[in-house]
Amino acid sequence: ETGVTQSPTHLIKTRGQQVTLRCSSQSGHNTVSWYQQALGQGPQFIFQYYREEENGRGNFPPRFSGLQFPNYSSELNVNALELDDSALYLCASSLYGQEAFFGQGTRLTVV
Amino acid sequence: QQQVKQSPQSLIVQKGGISIINCAYENTAFDYFPWYQQFPGKGPALLIAIRPDVSEKKEGRFTISFNKSAKQFSLHIMDSQPGDSATYFCAASTETGANNLFFGTGTRLTVIP
Repeated sequence: ETGVTQSPTHLIKTRGQQVTLRCSSQSGHNTVSWYQQALGQGPQFIFQYYREEENGRGNFPPRFSGLQFPNYSSELNVNALELDDSALYLCASSLYGQEAFFGQGTRLTVV
Repeated sequence: QQQVKQSPQSLIVQKGGISIINCAYENTAFDYFPWYQQFPGKGPALLIAIRPDVSEKKEGRFTISFNKSAKQFSLHIMDSQPGDSATYFCAASTETGANNLFFGTGTRLTVIP
């Protein structure tokens, strides 16, 4: 177990809806990164948060947004859900610049 | 454009054999090359990582070989076991950690008894 917990584990949403996914980072870690993993593909970087600020962003539209809280936990918000947003969403936590550990992911299905 | 190319897509190895997975990259700014193991329904778990200043790194049965001039790196799993059956991903980034990691497409390894 990595100590990184994500909730919920599974979620079904309707196209056009909004969703919030949560990540509790490992104790002592101050950085959280989010990834999207489509079925049969490698994870793709969405963004990273360090000390409550966005510290890097991949090629995802603005309807993907996030937050990091003072306790270093994080949220990923996706607005106006599309069918192609169906994927496993992974969060990884680390001490900044150190090796990162992934949670078990949230499986999002958009219908 | 795929920043990291991984092969083969799937691999079947006999128990006790050597599993070899290869990756290639183009961006010479990449400075950190981790390998992850992922079981169905789980998140990726870091196996071993290397920086381009070394040509080989070994941890237990897992070895990374790195060829900076060819921009290639590979994972060797010695004495492969059925419990090693999983999907393996190579990745690359300009920094250690999980910031902006570019992942390969994965290799599904099956180790048969």
